[in-house]
Amino acid sequence: DTGVSQDPRHKITKRGQNVTFRCDPISEHNRLYWYRQTLGQGPEFLTYFQNEAQLEKSRLLSDRFSAERPKGSFSTLEIQRTEQGDSAMYLCASSSEGQGAYEQYFGPGTRLTVT
Amino acid sequence: GQQLNQSPQSMFIQEGEDVSMNCTSSSIFNTWLWYKQDPGEGPVLLIALYKAGELTSNGRLTAQFGITRKDSFLNISASIPSDVGIYFCAGQLVLGSQGNLIFGKGTKLSVKP
Repeated sequence: DTGVSQDPRHKITKRGQNVTFRCDPISEHNRLYWYRQTLGQGPEFLTYFQNEAQLEKSRLLSDRFSAERPKGSFSTLEIQRTEQGDSAMYLCASSSEGQGAYEQYFGPGTRLTVT
Repeated sequence: GQQLNQSPQSMFIQEGEDVSMNCTSSSIFNTWLWYKQDPGEGPVLLIALYKAGELTSNGRLTAQFGITRKDSFLNISASIPSDVGIYFCAGQLVLGSQGNLIFGKGTKLSVKP
């Protein structure tokens, strides 16, 4: 299967702890996106990369959040000093360039629960 | 922030029925997409639309890009039980970035009891 993969699928952590999620995009895609989804809502954009360059960050991405894509392949999203409000599904998506950039393919997500 | 108004919020289907849902905005979009999400999974891309007035089908699914570029609809014909799930519209604003898809809140399809 060559779809987008995310690890872990579920993470339970205590408030104040740091967590890191990984996303592996579809291999030929050079764009990678992170979204957050809370219950009853659609996904909300956090940030995106073209190759290793982080081109846009949402206002939702507070200083406690950092994303990297060091070699232009997989990406990590780290949340420092987690808060209960960080509990959500974190989704990763990837796409190609040009018109295909709009067709974003999502991974299965990482469900974060902060207790 | 920008909002996509998706309706209905939920609906019940009986096998064989046709289903319609739509998405509207006060802003102009240059791309509309429709996704389906099952519980605990990520959204799956169903249809992408790029031109005003465009009508595109994917099996029993048909979607249209509104001519005002501010709306889109999705029809599902002859529904089957596996159509149950949450359907999201998503769009790329004309004046937005290339990375930022804006999503509606979803239409939840359930089976009639």
